[in-house]
Amino acid sequence: SQQGEEDPQALSIQEGENATMNCSYKTSINNLQWYRQNSGRGLVHLILIRSNEREKHSGRLRVTLDTSKKSSSLLITASRAADTASYFCATDDTGGFKTIFGAGTRLFVKA
Amino acid sequence: DGGITQSPKYLFRKEGQNVTLSCEQNLNHDAMYWYRQDPGQGLRLIYYSQIVNDFQKGDIAEGYSVSREKKESFPLTVTSAQKNPTAFYLCASTPRPGTSEQYFGPGTRLTVT
Repeated sequence: SQQGEEDPQALSIQEGENATMNCSYKTSINNLQWYRQNSGRGLVHLILIRSNEREKHSGRLRVTLDTSKKSSSLLITASRAADTASYFCATDDTGGFKTIFGAGTRLFVKA
Repeated sequence: DGGITQSPKYLFRKEGQNVTLSCEQNLNHDAMYWYRQDPGQGLRLIYYSQIVNDFQKGDIAEGYSVSREKKESFPLTVTSAQKNPTAFYLCASTPRPGTSEQYFGPGTRLTVT
């Protein structure tokens, strides 16, 4: 079953612009994570935000979490061509032993 | 890709043959996971193991089997019973069961014709 749904499915921007991706989920969570995947590679963990946190920063990344709306957003500021990748949100299932991934947003940053 | 290795990177098999995908980690992690990814889609959990000699079915376990005889190894066998085995397979691990951040291997792309 898919917990996280990313929006948009694909996003194309110019280098230097900001990129915003959204994730909605269905059930209560302990935390929400964002991962990045370059084409044909494994996923890399970017950031984790706990259910009692509203915003978190890591370098050019800013993540927000609204548990009342069951949604999160990932903002990449001053994007670079190297940011071109797929970005996935992920949440833990109620048992906490499995992580459920969304279908991802494919970001293309044009140089 | 951390301390997780998957081999081979590309694998080709004929329909009806079983094939085993390797996953090894040197991170001393207790928990390991196998996911399947189809083009343009997210990850779906096949099997996971919280500790040596123990594993549980994920959401799409039919046609797959695993073993966890050693802490560092979690091989996945794609059997002939798997109706649509062509996909990208990803292995991951976490330090302990229930730890959120997963460390992924580079993946194996399996093509069955």
